Amino acid sequence: SQKIEQNSEALNIQEGKTATLTCNYTNYSPAYLQWYRQDPGRGPVFLLLIRENEKEKRKERLKVTFDTTLKQSLFHITASQPADSATYLCAPNQGGKLIFGQGTELSVKP
Amino acid sequence: DARVTQTPRHKVTEMGQEVTMRCQPILGHNTVFWYRQTMMQGLELLAYFRNRAPLDDSGMPKDRFSAEMPDATLATLKIQPSEPRDSAVYFCASGSNSYYEQYFGPGTRLTVT
Repeated sequence: SQKIEQNSEALNIQEGKTATLTCNYTNYSPAYLQWYRQDPGRGPVFLLLIRENEKEKRKERLKVTFDTTLKQSLFHITASQPADSATYLCAPNQGGKLIFGQGTELSVKP
Repeated sequence: DARVTQTPRHKVTEMGQEVTMRCQPILGHNTVFWYRQTMMQGLELLAYFRNRAPLDDSGMPKDRFSAEMPDATLATLKIQPSEPRDSAVYFCASGSNSYYEQYFGPGTRLTVT
């Protein structure tokens, strides 16, 4: 069956460092993949979309890579700040819909 | 700025009661999604619509859940009868295309006792 795996444990890093979050998927081939941020008590917020023919996408301090051979996407936040603390959700598409991972909780300490 | 709105924000009800959740998508968006989020299962797609027509409701328990779009500005999700296992946060999201980014509402936190 189709499966999406994100870092199961919370990620704790120091302010200013780069956070790297992993998303692995199995048993299907998404044409694109999206990343969302979710804060406690709020709905997810769209961050980035990367297509299967794109290796890398950047937006300000965010960078996403998409390796369709490894079936993996990496999400990087450079120069991290305490305000980046949140849960980050990976969502590869399946047809016209998204399948969300469980998310990785990121905590950036000052 | 344009946002997806959901009502009610919180709902506590007793088992067996009907629950109706409402969503107003962003004006101009033609795709609406309903999700359920729990700690155990994460964010699960229940149903989605394009141009008010249901495209996929395979994630929804058919015997008790129903989703409709009476018009382009309103989507509803009903549970009848509700059960304690339905306790979760229900999110509505809209998009200009099912292949693009989705804009989520604040969610309805449902507790069934």
